[in-house]
Amino acid sequence: DAGVTQSPTHLIKTRGQQVTLRCSPKSGHDTVSWYQQALGQGPQFIFQYYEEEERQRGNFPDRFSGHQFPNYSSELNVNALLLGDSALYLCASSFGPTIYFGEGSWLTVV
Amino acid sequence: RKEVEQDPGPFNVPEGATVAFNCTYSNSASQSFFWYRQDCRKEPKLLMSVYSSGNEDGRFTAQLNRASQYISLLIRDSKLSDSATYLCVVNGGSGGSNYKLTFGKGTLLTVNP
Repeated sequence: DAGVTQSPTHLIKTRGQQVTLRCSPKSGHDTVSWYQQALGQGPQFIFQYYEEEERQRGNFPDRFSGHQFPNYSSELNVNALLLGDSALYLCASSFGPTIYFGEGSWLTVV
Repeated sequence: RKEVEQDPGPFNVPEGATVAFNCTYSNSASQSFFWYRQDCRKEPKLLMSVYSSGNEDGRFTAQLNRASQYISLLIRDSKLSDSATYLCVVNGGSGGSNYKLTFGKGTLLTVNP
């Protein structure tokens, strides 16, 4: 049984560009959350998707958007990238109270 | 005040030592509490949930004091493999939401031979 899978694992983008990160939840999990973890910090909640809708959002600007597909997979999109967007982006899936994290996507903005 | 605040660390201890991590949270409506472990450049993994009655898993003991809004983790007889960052996590952040985890900044532990 595959766990939470994320792609790509590493990527480098230039300021002003746009990026799309992808997440496939653990089998049977219907809820996907995204977190941003900057170096030396704990993960920060970006938003959560359930039944293809954004259920809750953290304190992130509108440049951060997402989508959930009927198969529960999800995408995180970030527009107009800033240097400060460089971080590990973590996807977490859940069904009920148990939460599993993917290995993350390392984004470097130069 | 930060939603979840932890000892800043880092902690450097010899093998076999006992080490304690402390954490406070600001939202009294928070409902669930956890300790996660994160190895360098890896994803966080659940170490243990924390209950008001206190709970133990081998060398690890977690305690929750709701009145003081305080969470602790004790590691006894520390091993080299315990070296990692320990994250205090609360479910049910601002507004009492059940939907998001709120993480502390993490405390780095290095266990030395």
